[in-house]
Amino acid sequence: QSVLTQPPSASGTPGQRVTISCSGSSSNIGSNTVNWYQQLPGTAPKLLIYSNNQRPSGVPDRFSGSKSGTSASLAISGLQSEDEADYYCAAWDDSLNGPGVVFGGGTKLTVL
Amino acid sequence: EVQLVESGGGLVQPGGSLRLSCAASGFTFSSYEMNWVRQAPGKGLEWVSYISSSGSTIYYADSVKGRFTISRDNAKNSLYLQMNSLRAEDTAVYYCARDLRLTTTIDYWGQGTLVTVSS
Repeated sequence: QSVLTQPPSASGTPGQRVTISCSGSSSNIGSNTVNWYQQLPGTAPKLLIYSNNQRPSGVPDRFSGSKSGTSASLAISGLQSEDEADYYCAAWDDSLNGPGVVFGGGTKLTVL
Repeated sequence: EVQLVESGGGLVQPGGSLRLSCAASGFTFSSYEMNWVRQAPGKGLEWVSYISSSGSTIYYADSVKGRFTISRDNAKNSLYLQMNSLRAEDTAVYYCARDLRLTTTIDYWGQGTLVTVSS
């Protein structure tokens, strides 16, 4: 059971816009920024979005992020076949039990 | 170019120990906070541990607290994870991961090293 909640799967056809949601709580998303990672099959995760809506150099502007309260979302517009991957949201958690990074369970994106 | 190269993974029996290493290059290692993150086969990402740039601040996930120890040697540009009392549920690919400077954002990941705990 992951601390952040994501849908296990999402899908779309080439050219479509898809969104992936990420729900948390006041100790993580509610008080810290959200990051998104893309993991292609057999590879290490790659930073896609940081600080809720910032793209690292080299990430296409087809990818965008947003945050509101204790939830966040990743949007991918102009879907392409190479976008088929697992996507994870993450945030720092200020838990009294001990701070640390928490991840969503991941969303497997299928391009139909 | 930022490079993080893990080593030390392998097959170990339940209750055994293993020490993972991560060799960093392409950036000023002593200025960056570092993490270990793991991924069980076919599962999602799980954060394991964090260490500040100087090594003075350390955090662990509850699942490994008391069994794993993170450390670093800034003179050798290296990060370590000492894993004791290993359990089957510790089986995973272990990634060394760097924080974006002065944030809690992981921005670079190594390629990972597989740890298998089995008799």
